[in-house]
Amino acid sequence: DTAVSQTPKYLVTQMGNDKSIKCEQNLGHDTMYWYKQDSKKFLKIMFSYNNKELIINETVPNRFSPKSPDKAHLNLHINSLELGDSAVYFCASSQDGGGRGYTFGSGTRLTVV
Amino acid sequence: DAKTTQPTSMDCAEGRAANLPCNHSTISGNEYVYWYRQIHSQGPQYIIHGLKNNETNEMASLIITEDRKSSTLILPHATLRDTAVYYCIVRGGGADGLTFGKGTHLIIQP
Repeated sequence: DTAVSQTPKYLVTQMGNDKSIKCEQNLGHDTMYWYKQDSKKFLKIMFSYNNKELIINETVPNRFSPKSPDKAHLNLHINSLELGDSAVYFCASSQDGGGRGYTFGSGTRLTVV
Repeated sequence: DAKTTQPTSMDCAEGRAANLPCNHSTISGNEYVYWYRQIHSQGPQYIIHGLKNNETNEMASLIITEDRKSSTLILPHATLRDTAVYYCIVRGGGADGLTFGKGTHLIIQP
């Protein structure tokens, strides 16, 4: 009964590959997000989706594309992976602009070799 | 969203109250103060939030000064499992996500 679940938990891949990370929430929240945490531990927002509309794109390279098949899912597709994409990626969800808090997944550790 | 300032790290003895300060002198009237924490290798966890009144829940208490320029998160009886990075975040409404700073690394000593 995990609230926000991400798969896979670990992903090791070679430069140049294309990969996807999946996220699902069963909280009935209306907005979902992707965050990136780099090696220096800074957490930065990448995208948010509300009712299938992209709300934010924080100067993320267009190799990254969020895709939301429905309100409960927000997947992250990454094309032509680079070494600098290695990080932990967190999915999150919220309701009504996050006034009652955000719920985060447990993260996907992506390593590009 | 208003900027926040937190100490880089703090120590606290197990069983004692941990008091984590946060300055947010540029906070505006409609902005809330949120606290999250991140235990090593896990996703951030919501702790508590408030506007101007003090708040308490099963995890912690939040004390906001009358002028709202600073706040303190209190963990009443810290345990080793409370060792984490604690983030103080100020934000208004809107679905634009949370902006995380560097936070305070709280270390609970046995």
